[in-house]
Amino acid sequence: QLQLQESGPGLVRPSETLSLTCTVSGGSISSGDYFWGWVRQPPGKGLEWIGSIYYSGSSYINPSLKSRVTISIDTSKNQFSLKLSSVTAADTAVYYCVRRDRESSGYYYVDFWGRGTLVTVSS
Amino acid sequence: EIVLTQSPGTLSLSPGERATLSCRASLGLSSTYLAWYQQKPGQAPRLLIYSASSRATGIPDRFSGSGSGTDFTLTISRLEPEDFAVYYCQQYGSSPLTFGGGTKVEIK
Repeated sequence: QLQLQESGPGLVRPSETLSLTCTVSGGSISSGDYFWGWVRQPPGKGLEWIGSIYYSGSSYINPSLKSRVTISIDTSKNQFSLKLSSVTAADTAVYYCVRRDRESSGYYYVDFWGRGTLVTVSS
Repeated sequence: EIVLTQSPGTLSLSPGERATLSCRASLGLSSTYLAWYQQKPGQAPRLLIYSASSRATGIPDRFSGSGSGTDFTLTISRLEPEDFAVYYCQQYGSSPLTFGGGTKVEIK
């Protein structure tokens, strides 16, 4: 059974870099059938798409975050990672790692979510 | 960027009633690249519907989706106690992917 597990510090200082890793179990991240991505949700608010990556390393980042976000993938460890630089209190959120599956038309929808991890930005 | 507007913000209904949730896109989606998710407190969202009307694996048939272009609807035919939650729509046909602001379905 597929599992996505986020890991990383729960507290990050302002202006520093937030780093999270998603470990995939029950499936191979090297499968060409899926994209892997990140979504965040500030406490009590809605969902925001951060970006996604293919097993080849090809990635797409939300333009609103592009200058601060890096998404990478390590197929040998079956993991992918998120780095968000120069964080502020506005980056406090639950961060979810997700899988995107392909529908028949070739477009990818999010079909599976990790449980999420709360990251608080505070001094 | 495509903006998705969900209405109403909150829907107060009783178990057994029918729920109709709306999601309107600021620009017409190139096809039916729209998904619906259910989120309960303290949990990750769960996929209900993709491609506007296709139910995800294991989703009861009381959940149905419809629509195309700019107007989409999620219908829950008869609310069960476990259906009271927040529902989000998401478009995935245009980058960046975007989510609606959510509709909370609460017990009346």
